[in-house]
Amino acid sequence: DIQMTQSPSSMSASLGDTVTINCLASQDIGNYLSWYQQKPGKSPKLMIYGATNLEDGVPSRFSGSRSGSDYSLTINSLGYDDEGIYHCHQYYEYPLTFGSGTKLEIK
Amino acid sequence: EVQLVESGGGLVQPGRSLKLSCAASGFTFSNYDMAWVRQAPTKGLEWVASISTGGGNTYYRDSVKGRFTISRDNAKSTLYLQMDSLRSEDTATYYCARGGYDGPMDAWGQGASVTVSS
Repeated sequence: DIQMTQSPSSMSASLGDTVTINCLASQDIGNYLSWYQQKPGKSPKLMIYGATNLEDGVPSRFSGSRSGSDYSLTINSLGYDDEGIYHCHQYYEYPLTFGSGTKLEIK
Repeated sequence: EVQLVESGGGLVQPGRSLKLSCAASGFTFSNYDMAWVRQAPTKGLEWVASISTGGGNTYYRDSVKGRFTISRDNAKSTLYLQMDSLRSEDTATYYCARGGYDGPMDAWGQGASVTVSS
């Protein structure tokens, strides 16, 4: 199974900050990587797919990047609405796997 | 507007069965692979099962193989998850999602809560 090691598990940042969340794949997954935002009591929302592509309607403050097996989600100009849990996900092969999640708190 | 609405969740005793449904609307259901993803209380997301557009190919995580069955009725635009021999560790919110293998899960239902307890 492909392991997705996500870091950090939690973080706190201030309004206007830039933050980066990382996921390391245990084997090659190409660009078959997506990022989701989940708010308390809600279902996940697709933010980034194909490692770098912004889903329709998602603010351009969000961006995805890849360096080898390292994938990153960067959020610029943090706002209160960005608070939540972020999950990475590989859809390269079965079993599909997710990272353990990063809880982002806005101070 | 794309909508996925799960139903059928509830409290069930260990060893018993439950069947979840997911009614899809706002898109051509038969054109999309579909999946079930679960999330145990305070835990991360865990893929459960996927099914191809025509239903001919199904995939399961090891821990549910032989106990869960994913199926679909394209005429009714509905996805199902038959869960048998339920265990306490199956307690979770179950989400149906559009997509899966070879594509992101780009639409999610609101979730159905399943609690396995005596």
